[in-house]
Amino acid sequence: DTEVTQTPKHLVMGMTNKKSLKCEQHMGHRAMYWYKQKAKKPPELMFVYSYEKLSINESVPSRFSPECPNSSLLNLHLHALQPEDSALYLCASSQFDSNQPQHFGDGTRLSIL
Amino acid sequence: GENVEQHPSTLSVQEGDSAVIKCTYSDSASNYFPWYKQELGKRPQLIIDIRSNVGEKKDQRIAVTLNKTAKHFSLHITETQPEDSAVYFCAALLNQAGTALIFGKGTTLSVSS
Repeated sequence: DTEVTQTPKHLVMGMTNKKSLKCEQHMGHRAMYWYKQKAKKPPELMFVYSYEKLSINESVPSRFSPECPNSSLLNLHLHALQPEDSALYLCASSQFDSNQPQHFGDGTRLSIL
Repeated sequence: GENVEQHPSTLSVQEGDSAVIKCTYSDSASNYFPWYKQELGKRPQLIIDIRSNVGEKKDQRIAVTLNKTAKHFSLHITETQPEDSAVYFCAALLNQAGTALIFGKGTTLSVSS
């Protein structure tokens, strides 16, 4: 069982659609992360939120827009995505943003038509 | 920035044999080194981690060693079983606010019975 819950598990969208990915944790963690993972590759960091504030944006295109409404929730808003954005999007959380284990959710498998 | 090299990229062993995966990192300020196991279609799962104030850590059949001088760390799996077959990722974390994990490229471990 994972303690980081991501929805939806699968998402297919067209390049003109707007959708959101959601992530939730109830472990009291104060750091949350979005990663992108392509097949046979390691996770690549996209964003880090620490105490609900964006602390890292790894030069991610503006068609990805993160949001942290509260300490338990993390969203990733998607708009005008490209076919190359098809990937597994993983959310993770850790107690703080340094020197702490990160625990991953099951991910959302995103396909862009 | 931090860079993590991981070897080998693939590893095939017979059930019962030991498996060793090695990683090197570039930034001597890194102080936290987790290992993740990822089965096909599933999330990365933390299996063991080590901090820079410790040289070795063991958890049943899994052990991790760290050599800070040489800037390398290794995962050791003894008495391998078919269910150990997966992709294994090492990672390194700088102990600075706002930084996050840098992953190695992964090792595909196959354990045949």
